[in-house]
Amino acid sequence: EPEVTQTPSHQVTQMGQEVILRCVPISNHLYFYWYRQILGQKVEFLVSFYNNEISEKSEIFDDQFSVERPDGSNFTLKIRSTKLEDSAMYFCASRVGETQYFGPGTRLLVL
Amino acid sequence: GNSVTQMEGPVTLSEEAFLTINCTYTATGYPSLFWYVQYPGEGLQLLLKATKADDKGSNKGFEATYRKETTSFHLEKGSVQVSDSAVYFCALFSNAGKSTFGDGTTLTVKP
Repeated sequence: EPEVTQTPSHQVTQMGQEVILRCVPISNHLYFYWYRQILGQKVEFLVSFYNNEISEKSEIFDDQFSVERPDGSNFTLKIRSTKLEDSAMYFCASRVGETQYFGPGTRLLVL
Repeated sequence: GNSVTQMEGPVTLSEEAFLTINCTYTATGYPSLFWYVQYPGEGLQLLLKATKADDKGSNKGFEATYRKETTSFHLEKGSVQVSDSAVYFCALFSNAGKSTFGDGTTLTVKP
């Protein structure tokens, strides 16, 4: 069964560094998402992406964040200058119809 | 805006006990409703879904019925197993094209 994949599974970085989180959505899906989950808290929406542009973003998704679909398969989330509070699990999701399928997540730790 | 409220956890049960995790929602329009499960150290797995009123989603012995009149989607299982120990998230997917999650309920099943 097709699934969403994410790399890396874990990333440790220093505050102020740039990180890029990568996702490969399910191949025939057209809508892509990033969510994050701070340890012990609920899953929060960051951004949705359709037809090569952002369709919606949350207040969390400020100028430090960007998304890109650089080719036909990858979907990336870039954090330009990481802060301690960016430490979280980041989930990519893709959608067909009303069902989102989530990847396994990237656990980001900012020191 | 949309919101999802789950019963507070954690929930601890003995093996073969009956499980109910309550979930109520607030949304405009006619959302689809989901339960996701997160096993320790893993990502979000879709457990079951219901896309319209009175639909019943079911999977692996878990069931939930979309009740529009009470705006609820309670998760039930007749006989839990130790392997069901996980965090369970209720979520809605709205016409706005993103998911809103509840806080999650941690279930621990003891032998």
